Amino acid sequence: DTGVSQDPRHKITKRGQNVTFRCDPISEHNRLYWYRQTLGQGPEFLTYFQNEAQLEKSRLLSDRFSAERPKGSFSTLEIQRTEQGDSAMYLCASSFLGETQYFGPGTRLLVL
Amino acid sequence: AQTVTQSQPEMSVQEAETVTLSCTYDTSENNYYLFWYKQPPSRQMILVIRQEAYKQQNATENRFSVNFQKAAKSFSLKISDSQLGDTAMYFCAFTYNTGANSKLTFGKGITLSVRP
Repeated sequence: DTGVSQDPRHKITKRGQNVTFRCDPISEHNRLYWYRQTLGQGPEFLTYFQNEAQLEKSRLLSDRFSAERPKGSFSTLEIQRTEQGDSAMYLCASSFLGETQYFGPGTRLLVL
Repeated sequence: AQTVTQSQPEMSVQEAETVTLSCTYDTSENNYYLFWYKQPPSRQMILVIRQEAYKQQNATENRFSVNFQKAAKSFSLKISDSQLGDTAMYFCAFTYNTGANSKLTFGKGITLSVRP
């Protein structure tokens, strides 16, 4: 059983550019979560899906952020018009219903 | 809203000794779940241990055990026989784990260093 995978692992972009991250959950997991983690802090919740339905979005998720899970499998997180404050590690996690969340390796974003 | 507090930013322990990491949380609900996650320098978050609030018995996983004090809203992690591979950031996390509210709320974490 492969774990949660994320792509890319690292992304450097210039301010104002758009970026998209992908997350592939563990195959039988129907819940998928996105978190953001800044250096020295705990992860903060962004949004989550059950199958293809986006059930909750954090107030941290500004209009520049959008997430999709079109077929209830992989998910993408897009950030439009990136800002330096978007620099962080973006973590994806998956679970089967209410079971434990398992995390991917994360995508580290640096906005110059 | 629930909050999770980890007040110790850093701790250090000698290899083979025991260390306890503290965590407190705040909630007005009765049913919830608590976790300790480990994040080694490579940054992949790994589950250490899970505790359901309705269970009175403290969870144990090999060298890791918790002291869950529901009335005091305290959830500490004890690591016995510390190993060099235990060096990592440790996060305490909380969830209600219902359909409408299953996100994890994390504390700020504690950096644990195991000295050889």
